Amino acid sequence: KAGVTQTPRYLIKTRGQQVTLSCSPISGHRSVSWYQQTPGQGLQFLFEYFSETQRNKGNFPGRFSGRQFSNSRSEMNVSTLELGDSALYLCASSSPGRTSLYGYTFGSGTRLTVV
Amino acid sequence: TQLLEQSPQFLSIQEGENLTVYCNSSSVFSSLQWYRQEPGEGPVLLVTVVTGGEVKKLKRLTFQFGDARKDSSLHITAAQPGDTGLYLCAGGSQGNLIFGKGTKLSVKP
Repeated sequence: KAGVTQTPRYLIKTRGQQVTLSCSPISGHRSVSWYQQTPGQGLQFLFEYFSETQRNKGNFPGRFSGRQFSNSRSEMNVSTLELGDSALYLCASSSPGRTSLYGYTFGSGTRLTVV
Repeated sequence: TQLLEQSPQFLSIQEGENLTVYCNSSSVFSSLQWYRQEPGEGPVLLVTVVTGGEVKKLKRLTFQFGDARKDSSLHITAAQPGDTGLYLCAGGSQGNLIFGKGTKLSVKP
């Protein structure tokens, strides 16, 4: 079965712009989580969506937002981009309630560079 | 706040050597997972350990969960260049997982 698909793979944006990243989870996985990965901070949890509802949110400013559609596809948006937002953004899908046992399946990520 | 600390941060060894990386916390986890991430890709799940004291083997990789379920280790026997990557531990009681910052392993031929 198809894996987790993230688009685009690479993105270069200018400070102050906004960006939208997309994630299609594994078929049948209804939970989608987003993480930001940087060399200094590692993987930091952004938010989790299940059945089009945000279930959990990490400690990020309101400029970071997301949504999930009825087909479980998810998007995340970052507004008013800052240099510090440059990172690898990873999407992970899982079966809800089973993450601690079966783990995540990650996409290949979107590499965002803010200049 | 639950935190996972991994050590060492970096490890550079020759092919054929053995190594152990550690994942420690002051919190109890219902399970811990190990992932490996290669450059330009997302992490890939290697194993989940659930029971305190549990040992799991995956070919040359041996994973152990501490008796108190606060720590875990990953031992690689006779490392190969293909083992190169970032090794991440992750844990969570429910919902989202938290990740350690990882051990970056480089195995030179």
